[in-house]
Amino acid sequence: ETGVTQTPRHLVMGMTNKKSLKCEQHLGHNAMYWYKQSAKKPLELMFVYSLEERVENNSVPSRFSPECPNSSHLFLHLHTLQPEDSALYLCASSQGGANTGELFFGEGSRLTVL
Amino acid sequence: DQQVKQNSPSLSVQEGRISILNCDYTNSMFDYFLWYKKYPAEGPTFLISISSIKDKNEDGRFTVFLNKSAKHLSLHIVPSQPGDSAVYFCAATLPSGNTPLVFGKGTRLSVIA
Repeated sequence: ETGVTQTPRHLVMGMTNKKSLKCEQHLGHNAMYWYKQSAKKPLELMFVYSLEERVENNSVPSRFSPECPNSSHLFLHLHTLQPEDSALYLCASSQGGANTGELFFGEGSRLTVL
Repeated sequence: DQQVKQNSPSLSVQEGRISILNCDYTNSMFDYFLWYKKYPAEGPTFLISISSIKDKNEDGRFTVFLNKSAKHLSLHIVPSQPGDSAVYFCAATLPSGNTPLVFGKGTRLSVIA
């Protein structure tokens, strides 16, 4: 596999469920990101990890919990979400440290919260 | 307040003609600008970029123009092809090298055969 891979591609969950989104990058990059794309809104940066350390948390509610066990993997743990959290969640990676270099995006995980 | 604005949510262009996608920004400190292209069910992919020391960057059919005084950039695609139909995102970043990209809302381009 190459590039940035996200699973699952589609997820439907109830407000009381706990689920996780997974991202894996095969590019040897050292920074990884979670973005949220809602309809008619700009891409919103959620979290940034550089060398497995979180360097940015953009006022994201605690019901979203990121985890970066190593430089190739990034998770977004979801717990007691709200219907307005339904969106496309995009993972990205870059070389050269956080917020430098070109971003390479995964295909996204489409989340629907019922 | 949005720092990067793409005021046209959609644009339709005939195949073979020029597509012009516009982007305005409010922060005069932005010094590096990028365009990303997104097909349905795929993540955005990098298309072309421009540094604030330039006013034009060209890559094949794609040219980005930067007007710093107007805080405006545009992406020109010529000739437009049906495969160019996608959502195009404009993004900008600050010179510190450690700040995230700021994205616009995107413009959906439809190239009609």
